[in-house]
Amino acid sequence: NAGVTQTPKFQVLKTGQSMTLQCAQDMNHEYMSWYRQDPGMGLRLIHYSVGAGITDQGEVPNGYNVSRSTTEDFPLRLLSAAPSQTSVYFCASSYGAEAYEQYFGPGTRLTVT
Amino acid sequence: QQPVQSPQAVILREGEDAVINCSSSKALYSVHWYRQKHGEAPVFLMILLKGGEQKGHEKISASFNEKKQQSSLYLTASQLSYSGTYFCGTEDFGNEKLTFGTGTRLTIIP
Repeated sequence: NAGVTQTPKFQVLKTGQSMTLQCAQDMNHEYMSWYRQDPGMGLRLIHYSVGAGITDQGEVPNGYNVSRSTTEDFPLRLLSAAPSQTSVYFCASSYGAEAYEQYFGPGTRLTVT
Repeated sequence: QQPVQSPQAVILREGEDAVINCSSSKALYSVHWYRQKHGEAPVFLMILLKGGEQKGHEKISASFNEKKQQSSLYLTASQLSYSGTYFCGTEDFGNEKLTFGTGTRLTIIP
């Protein structure tokens, strides 16, 4: 099993550009989520999904969109990149929504200039 | 609202013990603990559930005080490999979100 994979590993965007961060898992997990990590802020939840076709907002959803058309994939879209979105983005998956171990992908380091 | 972790950072000599605390203002269903090494993804350590059930697979122990909505992670006889940032994550009832604290940086020196 590859576990949770994320692409790209690094990305530089100009302000106003859009892009999609890819996340995939091969463990047949129902629950997937996106976090951003900034120095001193810990991990903050952006969006999450409890299954294909179902998504919901986390703590910091503004400026991001998600969709979940399959169990395996959970892409994160930045609509119009801003310098405040410079961060490390982690995708995670787990068997279920509550009290299950979360498996994290390796992360995407995004810089917006 | 993020749980509060303390201390923010701690430096230990190899073989010493450490306690990391996590507290929340909400009634909790579970508390998760993860460790993250520099430049890597967080890795699961342990889950503690309301009612006392503990799920984990590392030689590190933890407690969960349901009345105070507090959890503590105990690292005994620390090893160099324990270095990293430790995060607690909390789930409250009826909420499918895992909310992380800001982390505790642990440095182990020989």
